[in-house]
Amino acid sequence: GAGVSQSPRYKVAKRGQDVALRCDPISGHVSLFWYQQALGQGPEFLTYFQNEAQLDKSGLPSDRFFAERPEGSVSTLKIQRTQQEDSAVYLCASSLLGNTIYFGEGSWLTVV
Amino acid sequence: GESVGLHLPTLSVQEGDNSIINCAYSNSASDYFIWYKQESGKGPQFIIDIRSNMDKRQGQRVTVLLNKTVKHLSLQIAATQPGDSAVYFCAENPWDGTASKLTFGTGTRLQVTL
Repeated sequence: GAGVSQSPRYKVAKRGQDVALRCDPISGHVSLFWYQQALGQGPEFLTYFQNEAQLDKSGLPSDRFFAERPEGSVSTLKIQRTQQEDSAVYLCASSLLGNTIYFGEGSWLTVV
Repeated sequence: GESVGLHLPTLSVQEGDNSIINCAYSNSASDYFIWYKQESGKGPQFIIDIRSNMDKRQGQRVTVLLNKTVKHLSLQIAATQPGDSAVYFCAENPWDGTASKLTFGTGTRLQVTL
């Protein structure tokens, strides 16, 4: 597609529920990133893939967060046993190696 | 990074005036900087970037200035338009000089009045 596509756009989860957020990067983009953005704050880095390899996952806040990109294209961010503090916008971004990062519209997660 | 929570610094400018949005970065090793614009309900949109071997870069109606001595970055928007109303973030990459892992600064909300 023309841009980074994320789904679902909005997700309400009950505390303790597992959620999966999907990202379709721009076609041909090697690098894929996940960021978390709390209300009123700037995005914070979660993890980074180059093709299917997860090169950096230092930003994942706990072992309840897991990301994968098995075929080097689509990526999924999974959050297990969601907590209220997980409520945020989850932004996916992609780039050609070393070039401008383009962000998607985000998946808005609310944990109730 | 520093957070101001829900109370973002706000800059109000009249339509047609020039806007200057400032950003202080923390890591002297950073050598790649980007400005993003984020409208309500949307993801950050790339505006302009600059590498540390430059002190000024111009785009269409926008100019980024980099002062490495005081670790300061600014975004100048010429002839500000209502469509420029958004939150603006600066981001730095202190790791390898490419846009691989960005640290975002505190955003500034730009309000354009008619």
